[in-house]
Amino acid sequence: EVQLVESGGGLVQPGGSLRLSCAASGFTFSSYWMTWVRQAPGKGLEWVANIKKDGSQKYYVDSVKGRFTISRDNAKNSLYLQMNSLRAEDTAVYYCARVSSSGGGSVDYWGQGTLVTVSS
Amino acid sequence: DIVMTQSPDSLAVSLGERATINCKSSQSVLYSSNNKNYLAWYQQKPGQPPKLLIYWASTRESGVPDRFSGSGSGTDFTLTISSLQAEDVAVYYCQQYYNTPPHTFGQGTKLEIK
Repeated sequence: EVQLVESGGGLVQPGGSLRLSCAASGFTFSSYWMTWVRQAPGKGLEWVANIKKDGSQKYYVDSVKGRFTISRDNAKNSLYLQMNSLRAEDTAVYYCARVSSSGGGSVDYWGQGTLVTVSS
Repeated sequence: DIVMTQSPDSLAVSLGERATINCKSSQSVLYSSNNKNYLAWYQQKPGQPPKLLIYWASTRESGVPDRFSGSGSGTDFTLTISSLQAEDVAVYYCQQYYNTPPHTFGQGTKLEIK
């Protein structure tokens, strides 16, 4: 069974940093692109970042470029999101998700999410 | 970046009736080399992560009931629920994954029972 379990969320002050982790199991992690998607309270989904199977390619939404870094450790079956210079508008539930191997860039498995709150 | 616009923002349909949600992209998401539309639909129920329903615009994900169907090509797409069930109450999102990211989502459509 595919499982994605996020951790690392919490309350942080504006300008602060946070590192999200995602532990993957139930599939060959190194064979899949992975992604982070976020959802502000009461709002819609926002794609945040993608990372290639071997970590050699990374993509970001413009609003987080230069502040967030997506990475992975295939030996540990783990995905990460380092978030620096956090702003109030980064407050959201952050979902770790797997990009489908047969469905192009669609996302076939999602974690339950971890809440990040940026507030003083 | 490709902008995805869904309509309507909310929708109320009677049980057993058809529900139709539209999604329009600001540029074509049809890849001519393979004739595939890079468009997915998701369902999100309160307190849950999204669930993939449809990819390649019309391919149903494994385990998704056949009352859910996707159609359209190029820039205009539709998600249809042929006979609404109580468990279909949710917010539905389209997403484009054409070319390099960002792989943007529509703003969502809230589906309720009339």
